[in-house]
Amino acid sequence: QKEVEQNSGPLSVPEGAIASLNCTYSDRGSQSFFWYRQYSGKSPELIMSIYSNGDKEDGRFTAQLNKASQYVSLLIRDSQPSDSATYLCAVKRAAGNKLTFGGGTRVLVKP
Amino acid sequence: GAGVSQSPSNKVTEKGKDVELRCDPISGHTALYWYRQSLGQGLEFLIYFQGNSAPDKSGLPSDRFSAERTGGSVSTLTIQRTQQEDSAVYLCASSFTWTPTDTQYFGPGTRLTVL
Repeated sequence: QKEVEQNSGPLSVPEGAIASLNCTYSDRGSQSFFWYRQYSGKSPELIMSIYSNGDKEDGRFTAQLNKASQYVSLLIRDSQPSDSATYLCAVKRAAGNKLTFGGGTRVLVKP
Repeated sequence: GAGVSQSPSNKVTEKGKDVELRCDPISGHTALYWYRQSLGQGLEFLIYFQGNSAPDKSGLPSDRFSAERTGGSVSTLTIQRTQQEDSAVYLCASSFTWTPTDTQYFGPGTRLTVL
């Protein structure tokens, strides 16, 4: 079992719809959770971070964390073609500072 | 301000040669990380430097890999006797400190191809 799991996709959504991405993790010691967006040929850039249970909203993005169920999700509202990218879920333990990444979910937003 | 910079952007080498990859973190960032991204393995942690503490080398795949950070700033990742399986994009990241909530900012990466 991988430490961080994501559906590889592609997740195809029409423009203007909501894209829902899920991520599960196996290490209960995970404390911090991050969503990175990576365009093809580019490096990852941070979209959202979340540290406590519940929802966190930032513009069109909402991150949701449920530590009891060990999952974190990302919602993209009003999806735009420019949101087409691979979304990487990453988790960090309280001890140590490395990020452990999932394999990423490829999102395709069709006009 | 300037982000994380890496050089070279691309490196092609022959199997068995040594390579050095360079990373310049964001000014003022005290933590520096190396990751690599390959098709088969995804994005995986290699090593990180935390201030003046001993680095966490737990992700280095073999003793052919080493890294140093001089003066608490620039870092060099060295791969000795490169193998074809070392072909990947090597990403450097930095963060202001090393608390669990600190954001890691990634550089553009160095694409290494071992022939």
